[in-house]
Amino acid sequence: SYELTQPPSVSVSPGQTARITCSGDALTKQYVHWYQQKPGQAPALMIYQDSERPSGIPERFSGSSSGTTVTLTISGVQAEDEADYYCQSSDSSSNYYVVFGGGTKLTVL
Amino acid sequence: QVTLRESGPALVKPTQTLTLTCTFSGFSLRTSGMCVSWIRQPPGKALEWLARIDWDDDKYYSTSLTTRLTISKDTSKNQVVLTMTNMNPVDTATYYCARTSFDSWSFDLWGRGTQVTVSS
Repeated sequence: SYELTQPPSVSVSPGQTARITCSGDALTKQYVHWYQQKPGQAPALMIYQDSERPSGIPERFSGSSSGTTVTLTISGVQAEDEADYYCQSSDSSSNYYVVFGGGTKLTVL
Repeated sequence: QVTLRESGPALVKPTQTLTLTCTFSGFSLRTSGMCVSWIRQPPGKALEWLARIDWDDDKYYSTSLTTRLTISKDTSKNQVVLTMTNMNPVDTATYYCARTSFDSWSFDLWGRGTQVTVSS
């Protein structure tokens, strides 16, 4: 089965830059989307198609792609950014449609 | 304003069939390009996509669960229904419905989720 690999945890101090990676062999051909999930809440779409930001998402959230790794970057991290972050990809032409990464816990020190 | 809300039983017994309903507003599954998915999350674990239904009634299922899942829609009621047969304690999770992008498969708006526990 196809997998997306994320680091279990990332820690940064307020005001610093956090980078969360998502790796997968097929990511050279597929888009990745990123979700933020705070405790007790539903996930929220933060970045779609590798680097597009939905309306209402702060500009400090950005995404980039290089080879088989996609990165979510949070510039000037704020305490409210502490959450779990999940990457997600899809391939409707293969035998799977959607896969999520295992999630990364972002801790703001 | 787009909203989605999941409803269903909080507790089911092993081997029973689970039926969940997603009631939405602010968009219509009669509209070309509109899709709704179900996603679940066991306690403390990652998200898992289950199924998707499109405006034209195309349906997609998780490969690992395809034999147990059925997704359907009632456009007159703005509802999407998911049934999962032969429930097992490992199916204990929060179940979410989400509006889904037709081409990119991103989930742009989510319901708050409904907690389902499988226990005798």
